[in-house]
Order: sequence, then C-alpha cells, then structure tokens
Amino acid sequence: DGGITQSPKYLFRKEGQNVTLSCEQNLNHDAMYWYRQDPGQGLRLIYYSQIVNDFQKGDIAEGYSVSREKKESFPLTVTSAQKNPTAFYLCASRGFGSYNEQFFGPGTRLTVL
Amino acid sequence: RKEVEQDPGPFNVPEGATVAFNCTYSNSASQSFFWYRQDCRKEPKLLMSVYSSGNEDGRFTAQLNRASQYISLLIRDSKLSDSATYLCVVIVSGGSYIPTFGRGTSLIVHP
Repeated sequence: DGGITQSPKYLFRKEGQNVTLSCEQNLNHDAMYWYRQDPGQGLRLIYYSQIVNDFQKGDIAEGYSVSREKKESFPLTVTSAQKNPTAFYLCASRGFGSYNEQFFGPGTRLTVL
Repeated sequence: RKEVEQDPGPFNVPEGATVAFNCTYSNSASQSFFWYRQDCRKEPKLLMSVYSSGNEDGRFTAQLNRASQYISLLIRDSKLSDSATYLCVVIVSGGSYIPTFGRGTSLIVHP
C-alpha cells in the first residue's frame, strides 16, 4: 500500500539532546513537508522540500534541521536549540502542481522531559 | 490579517442537525482549496477538494465563492462520528504551491 510512515510514534527526550524523526513515503511525491502542531493549535510549517537535495525554511525553522538525500525520505532533527520542542510533529507529501492534495503520516508525538 | 481564517468554534450540535463552516482567504491568487478532517491526536485526512462549481459527497457539500474569497463546508444529518476538527487548506498559484492551513473548526455532535 502507498503511504507515508513516521517513526517513532512516541518519543521522549531529555533536555539538551538532539533527536531525529523519520519520515518515508512511497507515493513518488516530489514535495515533502514537516509541520508542528501544539494542543488546540493549527499546523505550523517547519521545513519543506520540493526536490531532492533542496529544502526551504518554513515559518518556524529555528532549532530544526532537515535533509533530503532521497526522494522517499525527509528526516527532521530537533536540536537542543529548539526552546519548546514538546509537540506533535506531522510529515506530509504531495505531488507536483497546485491541484494535488497533501497526504499525511500518522505523526510523532515528542515529549521533552 | 491571517491568510486563511476559520471560526475555531466549537460548534456544538445535536445529531441530525445541519451545520456549516466558512473559511476566508486573503490571497486572490489562491487556486486550489481543500477541506481536511482531523480527529483528536491523529493526522489530518482529506475530506474533499473544493471545485469552482461546488461539489457534493454524500452528506457533505463544499462550495467556493471567489468574489468574496471564502469556501464553505455544509454537513447534513450530522452523526456522532462527524465530531472532529475541520481544517481549511488553500494553495496559491504561481509560487511554490505551499499549502496554507486554517487553524481549524471544532465540531462536537451530541446525542
């Protein structure tokens, strides 16, 4: 089945540690996105990539980093510089063009202890 | 002014009611529109795309008003299972096609 997978589903981290969230898609989509969602809030864009080896900052990129070495994969690293990292992180992908919808992975819930 | 605005609600309605949500957008170059549904602690899932001529899928009807720059979602005969947050998404043409999300409207359907 085609889709997007994210791992792990739940992640606990101590303050001061970097952590990497995985996102893989087999939909052959060019564009991939990372969002953060806080309780009762909307989705905020962290980073996006529209092609391999290229990515752009979103609205809240500070304290995060990404890579896009393969079309299928777009991992997100939450660094110790991110002041409030506890949140629900969602990865999405989308085919090229304005009429295509986004597909989301099941999300990773990160808690910093 | 936010690019995409929604009334956060919550809309609290009895089963069987008809409920409508609006979503306004500020960029007149907006080209594509979608409604997503998000259940608590889950990922958003596409409910329906919104076409210029309007479209219907069972109990759900979506409409686009380009002149007034809003889209709407109408849910007829509400079910308990319709309880969720409904997200409006807009994509602007001619740029990097980044989807812009509204903050969502919460719907609670009660017996």
